[in-house]
Amino acid sequence: EVQLVESGGGLVQPGGSLRLSCAASGFTFSTYWVAWVRQAPGKGLEWVANINPGATEKYYVDSVKGRFTISRDNAENSLYLQMNSLRAEDTAVYYCARYGYTAAFDIWGPGTMVTVSS
Amino acid sequence: QSALTQPPSASGSPGQSVTISCTGTSSDVGGYNYVSWYQQHPGNAPKLMIYEVTKRPSGVPDRFSGSKSGNTASLTVSGLQAEDEADYYCTSSYAGSHSYVFGTGTRVTVL
Repeated sequence: EVQLVESGGGLVQPGGSLRLSCAASGFTFSTYWVAWVRQAPGKGLEWVANINPGATEKYYVDSVKGRFTISRDNAENSLYLQMNSLRAEDTAVYYCARYGYTAAFDIWGPGTMVTVSS
Repeated sequence: QSALTQPPSASGSPGQSVTISCTGTSSDVGGYNYVSWYQQHPGNAPKLMIYEVTKRPSGVPDRFSGSKSGNTASLTVSGLQAEDEADYYCTSSYAGSHSYVFGTGTRVTVL
């Protein structure tokens, strides 16, 4: 079964750091772009970052540039998001998603909740 | 990049049709045929419903269809069913890059 499963969410204080992970299975992870998409409570979806198969291209939404870093380990079939200098407005469910040959986000994980609060 | 504009809500009775618009600019929706649509039920992850403006992934009912005119894309749900009640989001690539922008979302209610 093709699937993505996120982990690493939790409660963190403003200014703190957190590292999210996403485990992929059921497909050749090393050949796909993958992304992080977040959804604040009661709000819409927001693309956060994505990375190409070889990890040589990375793109970020302006609001996280310089604070978040996307990375991947193709040997471990894993995607990561290192989040530093966290702010209250980063509170959201974070989804990892596969960007497929359909030129769309065709596989999504169930999400992991990140809460930034003192 | 700014979020694509969608109406906050849309509704229809069972069996009727509902159309949701997604308005952007020539840098996103109008410039490229990489518009996709997602359905999200409360508490669940989004699900891909339409890709490349008009194409349906395997398993998505043909009641769902997509189109585009200028800077506005549309999703039409025909023959509304109770299970179609959900939030719907459009997305597009931005400026031909691997940056993306989502729509503001539309809640569809089946009356």
